[in-house]
Amino acid sequence: DTAVSQTPKYLVTQMGNDKSIKCEQNLGHDTMYWYKQDSKKFLKIMFSYNNKELIINETVPNRFSPKSPDKAHLNLHINSLELGDSAVYFCASSQGIRNSNEQFFGPGTRLTVL
Amino acid sequence: DQQVKQNSPSLSVQEGRISILNCDYTNSMFDYFLWYKKYPAEGPTFLISISSIKDKNEDGRFTVFLNKSAKHLSLHIVPSQPGDSAVYFCAASGGSGGSNYKLTFGKGTLLTVNP
Repeated sequence: DTAVSQTPKYLVTQMGNDKSIKCEQNLGHDTMYWYKQDSKKFLKIMFSYNNKELIINETVPNRFSPKSPDKAHLNLHINSLELGDSAVYFCASSQGIRNSNEQFFGPGTRLTVL
Repeated sequence: DQQVKQNSPSLSVQEGRISILNCDYTNSMFDYFLWYKKYPAEGPTFLISISSIKDKNEDGRFTVFLNKSAKHLSLHIVPSQPGDSAVYFCAASGGSGGSNYKLTFGKGTLLTVNP
């Protein structure tokens, strides 16, 4: 009964391809996030949705497009993949958007672009 | 522009001793600080947090200390156990605007507790 799940866990693909990563949470939370952990190990926020509305959109190439079909799901679609997109992508969720609200993370998706 | 810095990439301690993990921040608008723990192939899990109105928060073996004037916080684990071996991330949030709940993470410190 994973609280925040991501699929796939590993993704290996060629440059130029389009791929999607899916995230689902069964915690009943209303806020979901995408983070990227690059080779330098920094975890950086990419996007956040609250009640299916985009509330954080960091400086991310527009090849990255998040989609939230409902409050329990936040998917990440990446077009025209580049070598620099190789990273571990973490989905997270929280109840509310106060900074004291604990964020629960998924196990991560390791994306390798060849 | 690293707003949250964990200058020690790794730390090794003996079981039963104290582990002290350090974190510095540069943004004076940060007012909430968190520590997350991460095992390999898993996502980070929340460990403990502290608001800027406090200087200490304790939860079992884990204590976080905040020194606002020095823009420094530390996580103390006493006594350390082998199961504490993991990467520990410091994170901070706060500031003006609508995204003061956005977490800014450090690079993490790998703690190894030796039996």
